[in-house]
Amino acid sequence: DIQMTQSPSSLSASVGDRVTITCRASQGISHYLAWFQQKPGKAPKALIYAASSLQSGVPSKFSGSGSGTDFTLTISSLQPEDFATYHCQQYNTYPITFGQGTRLEMK
Amino acid sequence: QVQLQESGPGLVKPSETLSLTCTVSGASVSSSSYYWGWIRQPPGKGLEWIGYIYYNGSTYYNPSLKSRVTISLDTSKNQFSLRLSSVTAADTAVYYCARAPVPLYSSSWSWGQGTLVTVSS
Repeated sequence: DIQMTQSPSSLSASVGDRVTITCRASQGISHYLAWFQQKPGKAPKALIYAASSLQSGVPSKFSGSGSGTDFTLTISSLQPEDFATYHCQQYNTYPITFGQGTRLEMK
Repeated sequence: QVQLQESGPGLVKPSETLSLTCTVSGASVSSSSYYWGWIRQPPGKGLEWIGYIYYNGSTYYNPSLKSRVTISLDTSKNQFSLRLSSVTAADTAVYYCARAPVPLYSSSWSWGQGTLVTVSS
């Protein structure tokens, strides 16, 4: 299985900050990566697909980049509603696998 | 806009079979444009892909669960289902149904709200 490792596991930031979350694959996955946001007690919400394509309706302050093994999710100008857990997902190879999640907390 | 809603027992006894159904509205499970699948999340842990089914009945399962999992379609009710046999406490999780695009890189996944299934006697 392809292991997806996110860093950091948790992150404290302030409203207005710009943050970057990293996802590393244990082997190359081209650009077959998605990012999801999950709030407590809620289902994951799609943000980014194909590494850098923004899901319709998602604010442009979310951006994704990378290919191969190293990927990033950047959130600019954090707002209170952005504090959540973020997951990456690879779908290059079965089984589809997810990162362990990055909890973004308010400082 | 597609909506997915999970339903089924919230409590299952060890060694028995977990059965969940996902009812789809706003899209057809007979569409060739999507996979229909299941993901789970144990309390306080990460997401695990269980598998999915295509409109023609082709299935794709996580090898870690393959021997115990069956995903099926009911086109007459626009639903799909999950059966997980011989459950243990390790199968306690929130189970999500989801729609994935074909090809997978072409768009994003849509998720149901999730349902908690507890395995306990």
